[in-house]
Amino acid sequence: KNEVEQSPQNLTAQEGEFITINCSYSVGISALHWLQQHPGGGIVSLFMLSSGKKKHGRLIATINIQEKHSSLHITASHPRDSAVYICAAEEYGNKLVFGAGTILRVKS
Amino acid sequence: NAGVTQTPKFRILKIGQSMTLQCTQDMNHNYMYWYRQDPGMGLKLIYYSVGAGITDKGEVPNGYNVSRSTTEDFPLRLELAAPSQTSVYFCASSYAFAGEYGEKLFFGSGTQLSVL
Repeated sequence: KNEVEQSPQNLTAQEGEFITINCSYSVGISALHWLQQHPGGGIVSLFMLSSGKKKHGRLIATINIQEKHSSLHITASHPRDSAVYICAAEEYGNKLVFGAGTILRVKS
Repeated sequence: NAGVTQTPKFRILKIGQSMTLQCTQDMNHNYMYWYRQDPGMGLKLIYYSVGAGITDKGEVPNGYNVSRSTTEDFPLRLELAAPSQTSVYFCASSYAFAGEYGEKLFFGSGTQLSVL
């Protein structure tokens, strides 16, 4: 069993919809990362958070340390948001454990 | 700034051949990493380095070697290529401390390697 589980694996949404991607982890962590992998393969770091919530534009990331759960929300989704979203749990000592990713497709 | 530059983008190797994947960063990051990404799986750490002259194994180091002679460069060497090493490889580097939104990791564009 992977230490980091993401759901759903695949998600198709209509433009404008509110999107939630979930991440659960079973290890003790110092931080939780959200990454975006573009269709061309490049990976961009979106957030790193260890508590509470962070917001950047239409993206919001939250984490509940007690429940070992994080969510990434996208408001007013757009086709350009189509990508693979990856969460990664940062264990103590900078070791990252990655989820398998959520493939998001936003249709216009 | 170029960020993390990774070459080549694509490569096909025959079984038993060797090659080096190059990775260079111009952000003066101490931490550098090599990951491989297999279909449907999360990224797996091959090797990492916390500074020039210091390297250590990750989760899946077998069949690979690295060196870190400078802060900027972190090449990954495959000595005897095997079909199991067919994958997409990513180099990454990081600050010790995160940016405004917590961004901390910077990735190269990836190398798609096929071993036939």
